[in-house]
Amino acid sequence: KAGVTQTPRYLIKTRGQQVTLSCSPISGHRSVSWYQQTPGQGLQFLFEYFSETQRNKGNFPGRFSGRQFSNSRSEMNVSTLELGDSALYLCASSLGGIDSTDTQYFGPGTRLTVL
Amino acid sequence: GQSLEQPSEVTAVEGAIVQINCTYQTSGFYGLSWYQQHDGGAPTFLSYNGLDGLEETGRFSSFLSRSDSYGYLLLQELQMKDSASYFCAVRGFNDYKLSFGAGTTVTVRA
Repeated sequence: KAGVTQTPRYLIKTRGQQVTLSCSPISGHRSVSWYQQTPGQGLQFLFEYFSETQRNKGNFPGRFSGRQFSNSRSEMNVSTLELGDSALYLCASSLGGIDSTDTQYFGPGTRLTVL
Repeated sequence: GQSLEQPSEVTAVEGAIVQINCTYQTSGFYGLSWYQQHDGGAPTFLSYNGLDGLEETGRFSSFLSRSDSYGYLLLQELQMKDSASYFCAVRGFNDYKLSFGAGTTVTVRA
């Protein structure tokens, strides 16, 4: 079974630009979650999509948005990029049931650098 | 919401035992999970404690005590390949968000 894939793997942008990141979940997984990882900050939850609907949202500004398509693939968009948005963006897929053991399977991440 | 604290770094020699503690403040959660992330890699699931007590998976064990708001991951017979970051995480009852600690970097020395 293929794992979670993310594209692109690396991205360099300048302040003020916008960026779109893509995530393809494991086949059969209906939930996709996005996380921002910076040194010393761990993984900060951005949002979760389940069956094309945003089911949960973290404490990030409205510049961060996402969507999920009918095939469960998901995209994350960041508008008006700031230097502080430089981070590793990870997506994780899961079956998505309201289940305490709903294990997250992470993709390799997209390394975004904002200059 | 959930707040999890874990040590930032731990260093040990091959063959040793390392315990990574995770203390939390939460309004209620399903269980405590642990993830491992090698440098440059993706986090991978290690273990889950839904109930209080010890769960053992090979050289790794995880423990949870809800009354003490505390859990730990125990790494035994350390190997060089165990050098990685380890994250504890909880999923809240109310918001169902998965919240992670800041991570503990384990360095194994020969």
